Amino acid sequence: DAGVTQSPTHLIKTRGQQVTLRCSPKSGHDTVSWYQQALGQGPQFIFQYYEEEERQRGNFPDRFSGHQFPNYSSELNVNALLLGDSALYLCASSFVASRDEQFFGPGTRLTVL
Amino acid sequence: AQSVTQPDIHITVSEGASLELRCNYSYGATPYLFWYVQSPGQGLQLLLKYFSGDTLVQGIKGFEAEFKRSQSSFNLRKPSVHWSDAAEYFCAVDPLGSNYKLTFGKGTLLTVNP
Repeated sequence: DAGVTQSPTHLIKTRGQQVTLRCSPKSGHDTVSWYQQALGQGPQFIFQYYEEEERQRGNFPDRFSGHQFPNYSSELNVNALLLGDSALYLCASSFVASRDEQFFGPGTRLTVL
Repeated sequence: AQSVTQPDIHITVSEGASLELRCNYSYGATPYLFWYVQSPGQGLQLLLKYFSGDTLVQGIKGFEAEFKRSQSSFNLRKPSVHWSDAAEYFCAVDPLGSNYKLTFGKGTLLTVNP
């Protein structure tokens, strides 16, 4: 079992550009959550996808959007990048019918110049 | 406002010494509680969780945590620290009715001296 995988590992963009990050959940999981972890901070919840719909959302602007595909994988899109969007973006997966563990991926490090 | 506080930004202990990392939360009702560990370049790994029942929770790698409702605390402990425990530790809460919409503390960086 590969666990939660994310791509790419690192990414460098410039202000105003758009970026797409990808996540494949752990086998058997149907729910994907995205978190932003700025340097020196704890992760902050962005949103969660289940059944291809956004089910929960944190305090992030509409520039942050996502998608979930029928195979449960997910994308995080950020438009009009700001310097403050530089962070580690973590994806986590879980199974909605169970309160079993939520597994995290290794993250994508986004740098905005 | 709902919040999670980890008062210690950085803790240094000697190998073999005991460890306690503090976590306090501010929520209307007792949320689900978690401790995660993050090593450099790694994602978050769950150490232990508290949903209900016994207030002393055992986790992986010899860690345990105690939930104290009266103090709104969920402190992490380990009786004897190993050099491999050096990492960043995060306390997190999941409010009742949520489904893993976690709120994390800012983390405590643990350094282990030989």
